[in-house]
Amino acid sequence: NFMLTQPHSVSESPGKTVTISCTRSSGSIASNYVQWYQQRPGSAPTTVIYEDNQRPSGVPDRFSGSIDSSSNSASLTISGLRTEDEADYYCQSYDSSNVVFGGGTKVTVL
Amino acid sequence: QLQLQESGPGLVKPSETLSLTCTVSGGSISSTSYYWGWIRQPPGKGLEWIGTIYYSGSTYYNPSLKSRVTIFVDTSKNQFSLKLSSVTAADTAVYYCARRGVPWMATTNIDYWGQGTLVTVSS
Repeated sequence: NFMLTQPHSVSESPGKTVTISCTRSSGSIASNYVQWYQQRPGSAPTTVIYEDNQRPSGVPDRFSGSIDSSSNSASLTISGLRTEDEADYYCQSYDSSNVVFGGGTKVTVL
Repeated sequence: QLQLQESGPGLVKPSETLSLTCTVSGGSISSTSYYWGWIRQPPGKGLEWIGTIYYSGSTYYNPSLKSRVTIFVDTSKNQFSLKLSSVTAADTAVYYCARRGVPWMATTNIDYWGQGTLVTVSS
């Protein structure tokens, strides 16, 4: 089984850009899709990026996703940071048997 | 619009079995394109996948919980259920039921979540 490692927290000012990494411990990051979820306090998570780089309808194009095979990691980038983006973000992937979540990253908008 | 709703006791005693049911409305649990599963989140902590079931009854469990977890489906009621045995305080969490797409048949993200239900393990 593999693990996904995220930074515990990131912070940036409104209007700036933040990037959250998600590193896969074993196996290729490209072998299974990565999704990203946003979770605000008291609410269930919602998808902001699915299948590495796809945005669900209704998610602003300020949110983008990518994968990098050289570092075996996925990234979520939020540009033009807004106060409403302050939340916890989780990456998630899977293999033939398991679903794996990253530990979550708290995004603080200063 | 698909909806998932968890139900079950909010308080369970240590060493007993936690039982939750997820009722699916607005769609069929017998769809071949989706998995159904349970995810939990201890207070102030991250998300943990518990397990997944396919409408056929095939199950996949988190290796760290496998010895204590059973997930089963009742297609006639459009429900699936979770049983977690021998609970301790460490099992206190918000428990979510959720739907995830089967690769190559639907998008693979968790696209629908229940609202979550807090289960506290305490005597």
